[in-house]
Order: sequence, then C-alpha cells, then structure tokens
Amino acid sequence: DAGVTQSPTHLIKTRGQQVTLRCSPKSGHDTVSWYQQALGQGPQFIFQYYEEEERQRGNFPDRFSGHQFPNYSSELNVNALLLGDSALYLCASTLGPGVGETQYFGPGTRLLVL
Amino acid sequence: DQQVKQNSPSLSVQEGRISILNCDYTNSMFDYFLWYKKYPAEGPTFLISISSIKDKNEDGRFTVFLNKSAKHLSLHIVPSQPGDSAVYFCAASEESGGGADGLTFGKGTHLIIQP
Repeated sequence: DAGVTQSPTHLIKTRGQQVTLRCSPKSGHDTVSWYQQALGQGPQFIFQYYEEEERQRGNFPDRFSGHQFPNYSSELNVNALLLGDSALYLCASTLGPGVGETQYFGPGTRLLVL
Repeated sequence: DQQVKQNSPSLSVQEGRISILNCDYTNSMFDYFLWYKKYPAEGPTFLISISSIKDKNEDGRFTVFLNKSAKHLSLHIVPSQPGDSAVYFCAASEESGGGADGLTFGKGTHLIIQP
C-alpha cells in the first residue's frame, strides 16, 4: 500500500525564483492538501484540491498556487520566492473532502531560500 | 493569532508513567480535534481524534479528553514507552468536515520518555 510520496526531498533556491513541489497521494485517495511548516511552528494549511479544483484555501498570498491532475497527484507552485518561504512543505491526502476521514501526510520537501 | 495553542514546548516523562499533553483552542467553530505524532525527517502520523459531540475517545494506550466549555483537550499516554518520544501536534477543523478539511495546528510539544 503506497503511502503519500513527495519530491524532491530537499531544494535550494534564491530569492525571486520560482519552485514546483510534487505530491502523489496515498493509494485510493483523491483529495490533496498542502501545508507549510516553518521552523519551530506547527503546519499551516495552504490549500486543498479535490476533483482538480481548489476547494479550500488558507491565509496564503496568490504567489502560492497549485494544480491537481486526473490521477489525483498534485503540484504546489511558489512564485517570487522570499526568504520567509523557507520551510518544510507537507502534502496530505484523504479519500474525499469533509467525510470524516483523517489526513495522511508525506515526509515533506524542505525548501531553503537564499 | 494562534487558534490552537500548545503551551508546553517540551515534556519529559519516565518510562512506564503517564504522559499528559495539553492543548487549548479559541475558535468556537472547531468541532473535530486530532492528535498527530511526528518523528524527525518524517511527516506527521495520525494518532487519535475526537468529535465535539464526545468528551472522551480511547485507542489502546492513547486517550483524548475534550472539555468544550473550557476549550481544552488533552492526550493521555499510558504507559509511556521509549518509542513515544516524538513531537506531538494538536490539530482542529471546523464546519463538520471531520479531519479531511484544512487543519489548524498547534506548535507542538516535544515529548521525551526517559528510561
């Protein structure tokens, strides 16, 4: 049973650049959520994708955008990177939104912006 | 504005004793609460959850208590084992989405089980 996978594991970028992170949900899951975890903080909800559309969004600027593909995998794009975007980016998946399921998390992508 | 607060950054407990991790919340719309455990270099792993219609949920060594009037929940681990050493996150969601909606997390408590 394949769990949630994310790529790459680590990434270094410079200010102003753009980055794309990838996530494959757990087998059988169709809903993907993205979280940002800064050092010493808990994960913060960025957005959730279901049926290839953004269903929910947290308090993040438009520089953060996403996409979900027909196979349920997802991408997180961040434009015009800032130093403060340095964080662990976590992807979580569930079977359907709002059905009482719990979210399963991937190991994350650690992004460093210099 | 922290809607979910875990006021103890760390907690040290002797092996075999009870570990009690606390969490407070401010948003009255939260109706589903979860605890996640996180080891270094891994994503958070779901432990146990509780709906706002209950005040207690038990799963093996783990029990979560919810006090809605005080907006407080706690996770009890009995007996504590060395493998329980990890960072524990309290999380909440609203609008009856269960745990499948966007979660609001606390900052976490680092639990250390001493042999």
